[in-house]
Amino acid sequence: DTGVSQDPRHKITKRGQNVTFRCDPISEHNRLYWYRQTLGQGPEFLTYFQNEAQLEKSRLLSDRFSAERPKGSFSTLEIQRTEQGDSAMYLCASSFWEVGGTEAFFGQGTRLTVV
Amino acid sequence: AQSVTQLGSHVSVSEGALVLLRCNYSSSVPPYLFWYVQYPNQGLQLLLKYTSAATLVKGINGFEAEFKKSETSFHLTKPSAHMSDAAEYFCAVRGAGGTSYGKLTFGQGTILTVHP
Repeated sequence: DTGVSQDPRHKITKRGQNVTFRCDPISEHNRLYWYRQTLGQGPEFLTYFQNEAQLEKSRLLSDRFSAERPKGSFSTLEIQRTEQGDSAMYLCASSFWEVGGTEAFFGQGTRLTVV
Repeated sequence: AQSVTQLGSHVSVSEGALVLLRCNYSSSVPPYLFWYVQYPNQGLQLLLKYTSAATLVKGINGFEAEFKKSETSFHLTKPSAHMSDAAEYFCAVRGAGGTSYGKLTFGQGTILTVHP
């Protein structure tokens, strides 16, 4: 297994456009998390899934943001009508959530620049 | 609710010197504590974690951290810095139970610079 994979690694978009990011977790992991990291800050939790169920959403996740994990495998994060304030690194992580399970492994992130 | 405060946004040491990165936490439930490292334009890599077993935790690359409940601290140390340790380090907390179970709350990070 090559770890958590995120695509694309970099995205530049014009304000007002929609963007979609993909995350492929480690294959046996049942939990998937999205975090956002702005320059000079630590990652901030956005949302997480257990299998295909979205169990929690941060208030940071405005109505313009939507995340899915349709078959409990890969996940997508869509941002509609992007704003300059959306410019950040979007990190995906996965873990195996059982007794004796693993902690979160992070992907390399998708860096979004809104111009 | 949980939070983490990292004291010092930048730390600079000479190669071979002691590394000390400070982290204090606040948690209403027994905490699990973590240190992650991030190299430029990369994701986060887990260095070590405290999960209520031994209070002195050893991690990868020669790093260790000590959980001190009385001081609500979880400082990261390494006896001798290497140039390759230059990176940004994040302390994080999650609850061992309750509604915060699972998600991590991160500090603002400390950038470590190592001088030759």
